[in-house]
Amino acid sequence: QITLKESGPTLVKPTQTLTLTCTFSGFSLTTSAVGVGWIRQPPGKALEWLALIYWDDDKRYSPSLKSRLTITKDTSKNQVVLTMTNMDPVDTATYYCAHWVLGATNFDPWGQGTLVTVSS
Amino acid sequence: QSALTQPASVSGSPGQSITISCTGTSSDVGSYNLVSWYQQHPGKAPKLMIYEVSKRPSGVSNRFSGSKSGNTASLTISGLQAEDEADYYCCSYAGISALVVFGGGTKLTVL
Repeated sequence: QITLKESGPTLVKPTQTLTLTCTFSGFSLTTSAVGVGWIRQPPGKALEWLALIYWDDDKRYSPSLKSRLTITKDTSKNQVVLTMTNMDPVDTATYYCAHWVLGATNFDPWGQGTLVTVSS
Repeated sequence: QSALTQPASVSGSPGQSITISCTGTSSDVGSYNLVSWYQQHPGKAPKLMIYEVSKRPSGVSNRFSGSKSGNTASLTISGLQAEDEADYYCCSYAGISALVVFGGGTKLTVL
């Protein structure tokens, strides 16, 4: 059974850098074709894909946020870390991580999500 | 990279069928048979309901079906049940750099 769980601060100040960790089980990020992605959802709004990292350390970023995002993995800890710089109140959202398989091109399953509020 | 277009809301009575459309472009929906649909109940994480346009993951009811024509994909739910009331999001592969794009979401109300 694959599970994922997000962790990180619930409140960050404008201009600060957000660091979120996705801890997963039930699969390995050393397995060919496997990836972990990050998706966010502002309150009452739609889903937005942010970034994805593959088993071979290939990384993909949303073109609109690429300059602010960094995704890394620690296969020994079964963790994926997302950093987002220069946070703004519009970045207030629930942040999800999810399992991805190359070729299947879908996110399944998802973590429970973590709400991050950006406010001074 | 623009979001896929979905109706903001649809509704139907128990037992009826509804269809949710998802319109993209020739760069995403129109180019790949890689459209997926997610169901999201309030306060919950999204759940995969359809992938590769029309395939159902194990455990998803066969009342859910998907299709695609040109730049528009569709999700049909037959035999509506109260538990189907949720938000639904489409998602399409959009190429190696853009990767995926989501729709704006559709709120399904079961009357």
